[in-house]
Amino acid sequence: GAVVSQHPSWVICKSGTSVKIECRSLDFQATTMFWYRQFPKQSLMLMATSNEGSKATYEQGVEKDKFLINHASLTLSTLTVTSAHPEDSSFYICSARRQGVDGYTFGSGTRLTVV
Amino acid sequence: AQSVTQLDSQVPVFEEAPVELRCNYSSSVSVYLFWYVQYPNQGLQLLLKYLSGSTLVESINGFEAEFNKSQTSFHLRKPSVHISDTAEYFCAVSGTSGSARQLTFGSGTQLTVLP
Repeated sequence: GAVVSQHPSWVICKSGTSVKIECRSLDFQATTMFWYRQFPKQSLMLMATSNEGSKATYEQGVEKDKFLINHASLTLSTLTVTSAHPEDSSFYICSARRQGVDGYTFGSGTRLTVV
Repeated sequence: AQSVTQLDSQVPVFEEAPVELRCNYSSSVSVYLFWYVQYPNQGLQLLLKYLSGSTLVESINGFEAEFNKSQTSFHLRKPSVHISDTAEYFCAVSGTSGSARQLTFGSGTQLTVLP
């Protein structure tokens, strides 16, 4: 149980275009989902926390107009990278929190490459 | 707020040798502690966690970690490593309630098991 599906696993896009990444909890309801960004050989940096039905809370330094987060249902959160640029190339990982203190389940990540 | 320090960015070790990956944390509130493992281009998988009770926690694949409150540490150990243990390991901490419950990650330790 407790599976989080993240799609796509990798994407290449042209500079200036937008890319949407989906994060789905397959067998549980996730009231809270988290979006992380990971640069090569580095740790995960929390970008934003999204709660179902409300606006996401962004970490300091993360542009909310560039990284649009939608959490319209208890099983789906999306991250849209708008007007992508090469510096947005990174590994993006979502996480969903289940009921209970140990309820963090991570998606498999999305490798975004902007050319 | 919490912070996590992983003292070693890279740990090479020969197969069947013991290993210890160090983790220290800082927090003004009570904490939960986690170790996650990440294989290349994948998300994070929970290895083990400390929530309460016994300070020594174990995983199904032979890893163990001990919560030491006085030294604010949660070092990960395995008495005999395998090639398949080669991966990136992240220590993480969260508060036990409210907004402090989000995960904060260390910078990661790359464990490389040599034949």
